[in-house]
Amino acid sequence: GIQVEQSPPDLILQEGANSTLRCNFSDSVNNLQWFHQNPWGQLINLFYIPSGTKQNGRLSATTVATERYSLLYISSSQTTDSGVYFCAVGGGSARQLTFGSGTQLTVLP
Amino acid sequence: NAGVTQTPKFQVLKTGQSMTLQCAQDMNHNSMYWYRQDPGMGLRLIYYSASEGTTDKGEVPNGYNVSRLNKREFSLRLESAAPSQTSVYFCASSEMLVVDTQYFGPGTRLTVL
Repeated sequence: GIQVEQSPPDLILQEGANSTLRCNFSDSVNNLQWFHQNPWGQLINLFYIPSGTKQNGRLSATTVATERYSLLYISSSQTTDSGVYFCAVGGGSARQLTFGSGTQLTVLP
Repeated sequence: NAGVTQTPKFQVLKTGQSMTLQCAQDMNHNSMYWYRQDPGMGLRLIYYSASEGTTDKGEVPNGYNVSRLNKREFSLRLESAAPSQTSVYFCASSEMLVVDTQYFGPGTRLTVL
C-alpha cells in the first residue's frame, strides 16, 4: 500500500510565526486531505487537495502530485492552531485513505 | 445539520463483553467508514461501506463486525472485547468512496479492562 511520511513530527512556535508542514507519499494519489485534530480530539477537514494549490484564510496547501509531496502552510499562527495535523492519501486501486503519523504543533502565547 | 454523530462518547468494558458503537450522518452521503486511532498514531481503517447494502474490510478488521443499517447509519460491533481494542473510534462519511472529502464524527473513547 501507499506509504505516507509527515515531517516534522513535532513543532513548537511562538504566536505569530509561520510554519510549513510536509507530507511525502510513495505512489500516485487521487485523494489527499489535510486534517487538524484539536486538543479535544475532533478531526477537522482543512483541505481536499489531490493536486494544485488552495487557500483558506491563514492556511494554504500545495500538492505536487508528480513529485509525490504536499505542503501545508500556516501563517501568523495562533494558539488555537495547536494540535496534530494529519495528511491522508488514497490512490490507485486502494479503497481507503492511509494516514500519516501526524505533526504535533504547539503554538505558545 | 449535525454532520456525523457517534454514540456513546465514552465506554469502559471488561474483557469478553460485547458492545455496538453507533454512527449516523445527515449529509446524504453514500460511503461510510470506521477508523481506530491508537496513541501517537494516525487513523487506521477497520471497515467501510461504499454504499447502502455493502460492507468491506479495511486494514484492521479482526475482532469487529459492521452493519450498514440504512443510508444514514453504520454500526460497529465488538463481539468479545479485548484489551488490544482499547482505542478511540471514529466514524466518517463521504459522498463517494475514497475520491472525496471525508467528514469525521467526534469519536468514541473505548477502554477494555
